[in-house]
Amino acid sequence: GAVVSQHPSRVICKSGTSVKIECRSLDFQATTMFWYRQFPKKSLMLMATSNEGSKATYEQGVEKDKFLINHASLTLSTLTVTSAHPEDSSFYICSARDLGSTGSREQETQYFGPGTRLLVL
Amino acid sequence: DAKTTQPPSMDCAEGRAANLPCNHSTISGNEYVYWYRQIHSQGPQYIIHGLKNNETNEMASLIITEDRKSSTLILPHATLRDTAVYYCIDLLSNSGYALNFGKGTSLLVTP
Repeated sequence: GAVVSQHPSRVICKSGTSVKIECRSLDFQATTMFWYRQFPKKSLMLMATSNEGSKATYEQGVEKDKFLINHASLTLSTLTVTSAHPEDSSFYICSARDLGSTGSREQETQYFGPGTRLLVL
Repeated sequence: DAKTTQPPSMDCAEGRAANLPCNHSTISGNEYVYWYRQIHSQGPQYIIHGLKNNETNEMASLIITEDRKSSTLILPHATLRDTAVYYCIDLLSNSGYALNFGKGTSLLVTP
């Protein structure tokens, strides 16, 4: 399957600082990427949908000014956690939507990055 | 909320087939059903997806009932490395077709 990378894999930061996480699709172009958050022993929760060249769409309860998303190219989306607090500590995972060679729903698949573990002290 | 329901956990002996069920009686007729798995502390891994017909790839087989109200993921010869949480997923059409994760089934493959 296609490859999606994330960087960094883990980060520890002080409360009040900002952290940027990068998500790259390595062998396909993705007009749409997604950002999820996962707390321990819980399932993945969608935070936002990132569209290349336009503003991200945030899920209810996710602060857009706190979680800044930029999707400046077809292979890169970034999530910046601004003024991080301990409650922002979590596992952040991105996915990229691959429409395949035909662009049909039949070939559509999403591939996930390995995740970024954020610990805010 | 997810439109899919799965048993919370299952066990399977190594070398045997693992059959993971999923109910999705409320998904619409043109919605695909996707299966992913997540090994601890890693990003989810795509397994397979289908609409109406049964599907097979190098990882697994997907059997979808004729009424599309349920499906079964089959790992034909489970190995210890198949221990993971398996998610049967529908798409969030209002969120750019993001994957709508439920709680999944925690599969434990035992020696």
